[in-house]
Amino acid sequence: KAGVTQTPRYLIKTRGQQVTLSCSPISGHRSVSWYQQTPGQGLQFLFEYFSETQRNKGNFPGRFSGRQFSNSRSEMNVSTLELGDSALYLCASSAKGAGGTLSYEQYFGPGTRLTVT
Amino acid sequence: AQSVSQHNHHVILSEAASLELGCNYSYGGTVNLFWYVQYPGQHLQLLLKYFSGDPLVKGIKGFEAEFIKSKFSFNLRKPSVQWSDTAEYFCALAGNAGNMLTFGGGTRLMVKP
Repeated sequence: KAGVTQTPRYLIKTRGQQVTLSCSPISGHRSVSWYQQTPGQGLQFLFEYFSETQRNKGNFPGRFSGRQFSNSRSEMNVSTLELGDSALYLCASSAKGAGGTLSYEQYFGPGTRLTVT
Repeated sequence: AQSVSQHNHHVILSEAASLELGCNYSYGGTVNLFWYVQYPGQHLQLLLKYFSGDPLVKGIKGFEAEFIKSKFSFNLRKPSVQWSDTAEYFCALAGNAGNMLTFGGGTRLMVKP
């Protein structure tokens, strides 16, 4: 089974621009979560989507948004980029567990490294 | 609110030494706990997980962890480390809010050959 894929892998943008990152989950996985990884703040949860609905949102400004499509693929968007948005953005997918409950076991993609200049 | 603390930021060991990485959490409900590893240049990989049941869980590559509810801890152990275990290790918690993981700050492990 193919793993979680993220595109692009590297991105350089300038302050004030906006950016869209893409994530394709493992086939059959319906939950997609996004995380930001920086040296200073570590790994921080951005949001989670399940069946095209945002279920949870972390403590990030409204410039960070996302969506999920009917095929479970997800995108996240950051508008009006700031220097502090430079980070590795990780996507993780999770399957529906036995008995109809969601598994909390998440599988991570390689990430998109965003540099804002 | 939920939080995870990893008190060892950097650990240096020689091959064959035993490893124990500390992880403490704060959360008032039922917890699901994880250890992830990030090898240099690679993506995060799940080492092991605890959902319920036996508090001693075994993962891949000879790692194990023990959930001690009274101490709010989930320490990672390996009896004999190898050079290939050099990586950054993250403890994480998922509470009742679906798939929202809260991560600890990570521990960088260097194993000297």
